[in-house]
Amino acid sequence: EVQLVESGGGLVKPGRSLRLSCTASGFTFGDHVMSWFRQAPGKGLEWVGFIRGKAYGGTTEYAASVKGRFTISRDDSKSIAYLQMNSLKTEDTAVYYCSRGLSVAGIDWYFDLWGRGTLVTVSS
Amino acid sequence: SYELTQPPSVSVSPGQTASITCSGDKLGDKYACWYQQKAGQSPVLVMYQDSKRPSGIPERFSGSNSGNTATLTISGTQAMDEADYYCQAWDIITPVVFGGGTKLTVL
Repeated sequence: EVQLVESGGGLVKPGRSLRLSCTASGFTFGDHVMSWFRQAPGKGLEWVGFIRGKAYGGTTEYAASVKGRFTISRDDSKSIAYLQMNSLKTEDTAVYYCSRGLSVAGIDWYFDLWGRGTLVTVSS
Repeated sequence: SYELTQPPSVSVSPGQTASITCSGDKLGDKYACWYQQKAGQSPVLVMYQDSKRPSGIPERFSGSNSGNTATLTISGTQAMDEADYYCQAWDIITPVVFGGGTKLTVL
């Protein structure tokens, strides 16, 4: 079955770190961009960042709101993408989704497969 | 930064046509896509590259994009189409940009 499963969410204090995982199955993981999104309670979707596949150097892009605090990586041998979140703030509280990305000529991204999400709560 | 603007809410009667707009500067020069998110569920891609439907998306969903506005149209709207809809496009500064979302109510 083609699917993505996020894990690693939970309650964490401000300033601490947390690592989320996204385990893929049913498709050739290494061929795809993997992206993270989040959705704060009652709010809209927000893009967090993505990592390109090895063919494109495994390079990363991040939203301004998380750049320098969050890091995305991938282990193609295990079909897992990671989101390392450091210096967490209360405003990082959200459901975090991972998703598979497709593009036209390396731009015009769209995301055709989403996981169920994992809740991250940042609170003292 | 690039911004996409959607109406917060759209209402439609069952069987009628719903149109959800997404506005952005020269949006027609980019590809737009759309996601449906039902309450408590993950987003689902319903339209990509302006007017292409992913496998499994009903034919009543269609899309267009021209000038500054992309439009998602749902013909013969059904109760099951009630959801939040988000448009998304690419920008050179921020690769993935979302609109604020539109709550579609079928009443």
